[in-house]
Amino acid sequence: DAMVIQNPRYQVTQFGKPVTLSCSQTLNHNVMYWYQQKSSQAPKLLFHYYDKDFNNEADTPDNFQSRRPNTSFCFLDIRSPGLGDAAMYLCATSREQGAGMDTQYFGPGTRLTVL
Amino acid sequence: GQNIDQPTEMTATEGAIVQINCTYQTSGFNGLFWYQQHAGEAPTFLSYNVLDGLEEKGRFSSFLSRSKGYSYLLLKELQMKDSASYLCAALDSNYQLIWGAGTKLIIKP
Repeated sequence: DAMVIQNPRYQVTQFGKPVTLSCSQTLNHNVMYWYQQKSSQAPKLLFHYYDKDFNNEADTPDNFQSRRPNTSFCFLDIRSPGLGDAAMYLCATSREQGAGMDTQYFGPGTRLTVL
Repeated sequence: GQNIDQPTEMTATEGAIVQINCTYQTSGFNGLFWYQQHAGEAPTFLSYNVLDGLEEKGRFSSFLSRSKGYSYLLLKELQMKDSASYLCAALDSNYQLIWGAGTKLIIKP
């Protein structure tokens, strides 16, 4: 089945210790998104890739970086996690942007705990 | 600014009908999405409306009025498994999704 996969599902890291979250998709979608979601809040878009074009949200801290080495994979790097970065990190994909192909499909998420 | 408003929490009874409302203000509009999110899980797509009117999909229906900046999600024949948060999200002129904080729906037997 075509799907969006995130690894790991649960990640524990120490304050200040770099961590990388991964996302892969078998949908062959052009667009990949990274969201941060805290309890009872809306998902907050961090950045997205349209193919290889990287689009950073204005309020995304420099502490968050991303890489998309190919169509299928996208990584979220948190260079120096703080306690406030503990959250669910959601990866999503959409076929396109516009033309009615914007539906975003989400992976299961990675729950990050910072000690 | 861009804004989505939906109630924080609603309670309904198993077997009943519930309507979750959403109002939006966005820079341009390219459609409205409803997602279901169970606790600790990722959002799953329910519906997409871009034209005015009602779209029915099984027990779930979604309505849109573009002139009023208003949508609702209607859930019929409620089941316990429908207990979840329901997120409303509007697509703006840049094809960015503006998300609401979600409505937590509690189903009681």
